[in-house]
Amino acid sequence: DIQMTQSPSTLSASVGDRVTITCRASQSISSWLAWYQQKPGKAPKLLIYKASSLESGVPSRFSGSGSGTEFTLTINSLQPDDFATYYCQQYNSYSITFGQGTRLEIK
Amino acid sequence: EVQLEESGGDLVQPGGSLRLSCAASGFTFGSYWINWLRQAPGKGLEWVANINQDGSVRNYVDSVRGRFTISRDNAKNSLYLQMNSLRVDDTAVYYCARDPAAAPYYDNWGQGTLVTVSS
Repeated sequence: DIQMTQSPSTLSASVGDRVTITCRASQSISSWLAWYQQKPGKAPKLLIYKASSLESGVPSRFSGSGSGTEFTLTINSLQPDDFATYYCQQYNSYSITFGQGTRLEIK
Repeated sequence: EVQLEESGGDLVQPGGSLRLSCAASGFTFGSYWINWLRQAPGKGLEWVANINQDGSVRNYVDSVRGRFTISRDNAKNSLYLQMNSLRVDDTAVYYCARDPAAAPYYDNWGQGTLVTVSS
């Protein structure tokens, strides 16, 4: 199975900050990576697919980049609604795997 | 509006069985791969199984293969997960989710249904 490792596990930031979350794959996954946001008690919400494509309706302050084994999710100008847990997911192989999550908390 | 609604979660003893359902609306159900994913309490996300548009292709994560069966009824816009030989580590919120492009990633999710396996 392809292992996905996110860093950091927890990130403290303030409203208005720019933050970056990193996701590393144990082997190349080309650009077959998605990012999700999840709030407590809610289902995940798709933010980014194919590493850098913004899902319809998602604010443009979210962006994704990377290919191969290293990927980033960047959130510009953090809003109060952005404090949540973020997951990356690879879909290069049919053993679909997620990162362990990054909790973004208010500083 | 795309909607997915899971049901059937319950408390069950180890070794028991349970059938989950997912009712879909707001899109042409039979045109999409549909998935089951789960999240153990306080843990991350895990893909469980998926099924193609006509039900002829089914894939499973290794930990459930042979115990769980995914199926669908396109006439009823419904997805199912038959879970047998349940184990304590199957305890989780189970989500159904739509794959928009046979990619697979998931653009619409249900609210989830809780399965608790405990004696």
